[in-house]
Amino acid sequence: KQEVTQIPAALSVPEGENLVLNCSFTDSAIYNLQWFRQDPGKGLTSLLLIQSSQREQTSGRLNASLDKSSGRSTLYIAASQPGDSATYLCASRGGTSGSRLTFGEGTQLTVNP
Amino acid sequence: DAGVTQSPTHLIKTRGQQVTLRCSPKSGHDTVSWYQQALGQGPQFIFQYYEEEERQRGNFPDRFSGHQFPNYSSELNVNALLLGDSALYLCASSLDMDIKGEQYFGPGTRLTVT
Repeated sequence: KQEVTQIPAALSVPEGENLVLNCSFTDSAIYNLQWFRQDPGKGLTSLLLIQSSQREQTSGRLNASLDKSSGRSTLYIAASQPGDSATYLCASRGGTSGSRLTFGEGTQLTVNP
Repeated sequence: DAGVTQSPTHLIKTRGQQVTLRCSPKSGHDTVSWYQQALGQGPQFIFQYYEEEERQRGNFPDRFSGHQFPNYSSELNVNALLLGDSALYLCASSLDMDIKGEQYFGPGTRLTVT
């Protein structure tokens, strides 16, 4: 059974800092890994999707990497802004979980002005 | 192009009642998955529908059931509601033939059981 873990559970940083959010998974036979953003009380906004054959994906100030062999993914946020404050979730798809997404518990990020 | 839509946005029910939540997938998508997200936790997979049949199911009791219609829209039904069923219910759509493709999420339905 796939298990996804996110560290840290919460993070508070001053505006302008570069930061890294971590995601680990136990079953490396995944199709892909997806990073989401969730604002309080809202649905999920997809940020980046990394296929199992890829090492990283970039969108603006966001960069996500994937290391299947070690079961790890990181989300790098450059020059953080108060508007980046949200909960960030990673989810794997494939392996023993089939086509469902298996989510981590999320990292709650607060960027202070 | 309309994305995934869900209704209602919010719902308040009493213990023991039954509830139906609705989801319309993104245009062109044929697969619908439902997730339950309790406060402060990551979403948990409930089940997935394709070709009007339940294809995959998570660790949820039979009180949770669903349906998919010929137009690919879907319903989630929960019977005999418990306080612990209070959560955000998320619907996601995808294309079955694109197994490695992205899943798109709707805004969710916030269910409160009192």
